[in-house]
Amino acid sequence: AQSVTQLGSHVSVSEGALVLLRCNYSSSVPPYLFWYVQYPNQGLQLLLKYTTGATLVKGINGFEAEFKKSETSFHLTKPSAHMSDAAEYFCAVSGGTGNQFYFGTGTSLTVIP
Amino acid sequence: GAVVSQHPSRVICKSGTSVKIECRSLDFQATTMFWYRQFPKQSLMLMATSNEGSKATYEQGVEKDKFLINHASLTLSTLTVTSAHPEDSSFYICSARGRLRGGTDTQYFGPGTRLTVL
Repeated sequence: AQSVTQLGSHVSVSEGALVLLRCNYSSSVPPYLFWYVQYPNQGLQLLLKYTTGATLVKGINGFEAEFKKSETSFHLTKPSAHMSDAAEYFCAVSGGTGNQFYFGTGTSLTVIP
Repeated sequence: GAVVSQHPSRVICKSGTSVKIECRSLDFQATTMFWYRQFPKQSLMLMATSNEGSKATYEQGVEKDKFLINHASLTLSTLTVTSAHPEDSSFYICSARGRLRGGTDTQYFGPGTRLTVL
């Protein structure tokens, strides 16, 4: 069984500040982990994913995430927030890239000018 | 560019009518397609999994007679919401599993369809 918990349904940061969105997972098999971004009335856009190998994963738009098995975490970070980063972010876990995804409840990111 | 398309992107219908949503994989064959539903300000919830040429597998609590899924070809799956009611209003997102240009088996998400039932 797999599940994802995203701590904090809403996160606000100032423009230029560090972005940290938290994700913890539960998985009975080696997890594949994903972060997606969703803008209003749009579909999901893949930010980054971890499958195997290097635990620090770099994605698009300056985002990165680190897979920490001991902490069952896959937190998303960006050193400097931009106004265009304001969106809904979803963490997801899967038993494989082609298998069923289990999504977290999402975190709404607000960037304050 | 997009590898999975959905049509229509938005649909408004009267209560009691049926609505068909198409999900197409572009440039690859999708052995499996997934249908998700997303209520406002909430996460995506898996509704059903469909494999080409076989009956869809529905998640617990999803009415198979209300949400008809047909995966007739390796590039097309359809979701039909039968006798739609206002509570069916939601954002429906499909995803397709396959290999794009010789890559690894990956799941690609469509842009979603906004259904509003009046």
